[in-house]
Amino acid sequence: DGGITQSPKYLFRKEGQNVTLSCEQNLNHDAMYWYRQDPGQGLRLIYYSQIVNDFQKGDIAEGYSVSREKKESFPLTVTSAQKNPTAFYLCASSLQSMNTEAFFGQGTRLTVV
Amino acid sequence: SQKIEQNSEALNIQEGKTATLTCNYTNYSPAYLQWYRQDPGRGPVFLLLIRENEKEKRKERLKVTFDTTLKQSLFHITASQPADSATYLCALDNDYKLSFGAGTTVTVRA
Repeated sequence: DGGITQSPKYLFRKEGQNVTLSCEQNLNHDAMYWYRQDPGQGLRLIYYSQIVNDFQKGDIAEGYSVSREKKESFPLTVTSAQKNPTAFYLCASSLQSMNTEAFFGQGTRLTVV
Repeated sequence: SQKIEQNSEALNIQEGKTATLTCNYTNYSPAYLQWYRQDPGRGPVFLLLIRENEKEKRKERLKVTFDTTLKQSLFHITASQPADSATYLCALDNDYKLSFGAGTTVTVRA
C-alpha cells in the first residue's frame, strides 16, 4: 500500500537530548514537509523540501534540523536548542509543492521528561 | 502580518442539519485553498481543493466556496452525521508551501 509512515508514534526525550523523528513515503512525491501542532493551534511549518538534497526553513525552524538524502525519506531532528519541544509532529508529502493535495502521516507525539 | 482565521468557537449541530465553517485570510494571495479533516491524535486527511478561478466545488455532502474579493472560503457539510464530528482545517498555498488555520471543531449530535 502506498502511503506516508512516521515513527515512532510516541517519543520521550530527556532534557538536553537530541532525538530524530522518522518520515518515509512510497508515493514517489517530490515535496515533503514537517509541521508542529500544539493544542488548540494550527499546524506550523518547521521545514520543507521540494526536491532531493534541498530543503528550506519554515516559520519555526529554530532548534530543528532535517536532511533529504533520498526522495522517500525526510527525517527531523529535534535538538537540545529547541526549548519547548513537547508537541505533536506531522510529516506530509505532495506530488508537487503547489496545487496538489498533501498526504499526512499519523504523527509523532514527543514529550520531554 | 499574514493570518488565516477560522471560526474560533466549536460548532455543535443536530444530525441532519448543515454545518457552515468559515476561513478568512489576510495578506495572502492564494492560487488555491484546501480543506482537511483531522480526527483526534491523527494526521489531517485531504477533503477538497478549490482554485482561485473557481467559485464553488462539491464532493458528495461537502461544498466549498472561495471568494478572493472577500478573502474568504466557506465550507458546508450538508445532511450532517455524527461521523462528521472532527476538526476541519483550511490551508492556503503560500510560496510553495501550505499554511494552515487553527481549525474548527464540529460535533454532530444524534
